[in-house]
Amino acid sequence: NAGVTQTPKFRILKIGQSMTLQCTQDMNHNYMYWYRQDPGMGLKLIYYSVGAGITDKGEVPNGYNVSRSTTEDFPLRLELAAPSQTSVYFCASSGNRGGNTIYFGEGSWLTVV
Amino acid sequence: AQKITQTQPGMFVQEKEAVTLDCTYDTSDQSYGLFWYKQPSSGEMIFLIYQGSYDEQNATEGRYSLNFQKARKSANLVISASQLGDSAMYFCAMREINTGNQFYFGTGTSLTVIP
Repeated sequence: NAGVTQTPKFRILKIGQSMTLQCTQDMNHNYMYWYRQDPGMGLKLIYYSVGAGITDKGEVPNGYNVSRSTTEDFPLRLELAAPSQTSVYFCASSGNRGGNTIYFGEGSWLTVV
Repeated sequence: AQKITQTQPGMFVQEKEAVTLDCTYDTSDQSYGLFWYKQPSSGEMIFLIYQGSYDEQNATEGRYSLNFQKARKSANLVISASQLGDSAMYFCAMREINTGNQFYFGTGTSLTVIP
């Protein structure tokens, strides 16, 4: 039972580089999310999607892009990495019903130097 | 305004005692869900308990219970008989059903269980 799988787990980027964090879920969930968690802080929503082909900005979308071509996959692209993007990134998914909890991937630790 | 407020950055509790972690929320949506998650030092997010806005009884899951006071918009987590393994960050979250179905998270409370 894979749940939500995100890769890579760790990555060091140089300022100005770009990269894609991959996320896939096998629970047939319509809702998918990307959060970032800065050290000692809570989760901030970057982007979310309510289904294939539909994406929306969250609280902190600047510097990121997403796509949702399939139900399963929701990659997050970082363009022109900056030190402020050093964080732990969590991909998550949930079902449609209000009582459905959110399932998280294991997190991706990203450092921009 | 913050959707979820957790006012206790850090809490300490003696092993085997009960502890209450505070959470207040702000929403105009009549339908919403309230959740608590545990994040140990390893980093994964673990779902603990859920309370729906229309549920009249407080939710319980083993040693976890959610003290839901709708009029006060509070959803405190009570952990009974604390164990050393309960030391972790705890996050309160809300899902608004009629306004986007997003999950909003608080800033978390760091709980330390003292032997």
